[in-house]
Amino acid sequence: GAVVSQHPSWVICKSGTSVKIECRSLDFQATTMFWYRQFPKQSLMLMATSNEGSKATYEQGVEKDKFLINHASLTLSTLTVTSAHPEDSSFYICSAELGQGEETQYFGPGTRLLVL
Amino acid sequence: GENVEQHPSTLSVQEGDSAVIKCTYSDSASNYFPWYKQELGKRPQLIIDIRSNVGEKKDQRIAVTLNKTAKHFSLHITETQPEDSAVYFCAASITSSGDKLTFGTGTRLAVRP
Repeated sequence: GAVVSQHPSWVICKSGTSVKIECRSLDFQATTMFWYRQFPKQSLMLMATSNEGSKATYEQGVEKDKFLINHASLTLSTLTVTSAHPEDSSFYICSAELGQGEETQYFGPGTRLLVL
Repeated sequence: GENVEQHPSTLSVQEGDSAVIKCTYSDSASNYFPWYKQELGKRPQLIIDIRSNVGEKKDQRIAVTLNKTAKHFSLHITETQPEDSAVYFCAASITSSGDKLTFGTGTRLAVRP
């Protein structure tokens, strides 16, 4: 149980294009999902908290207009990197909680983004 | 906001020896402390967690201790095996405040056969 998937697993795109990453909870409903970014040999940095049916809460320093988050259902959250630039190249990982009162986060396999 | 420090950044041990990784946190309101293991290019996997109402928790070769007064918690791995080699992250969160995890900087553990 508590399986989280991400798609795509890796993507290469040209500078200026937009990239959408999907995060799905496969065997449970997740009212809350989280999006992290991890640069090589660094820790996970929380970008935003995604709540089903409401606007995402972004961490300080994360541009909400550049990193669009949509959590349209209890099993799907999407992160769109708009007008991607080489400095956006990173490992993007989502996580999901089982539900209210369950603080354990289960992580997706990550999406490696390379912007040329 | 919360700040989590983790030491050491790298740790090399001989197979069979124990490994200890330590973390400190800044926000006394933090009450949930998970530990994650991440292999290269893979997702972080929860290996053990502890809540603030407990001082110690053990699961086979892995144990975590928590000292709320000193605001630090530690991961102990006994009888290390080569497959324990990975990067380990500690984290802290306040469960009444959105469950946001603040991660430590990670410890790269290498277990020498």
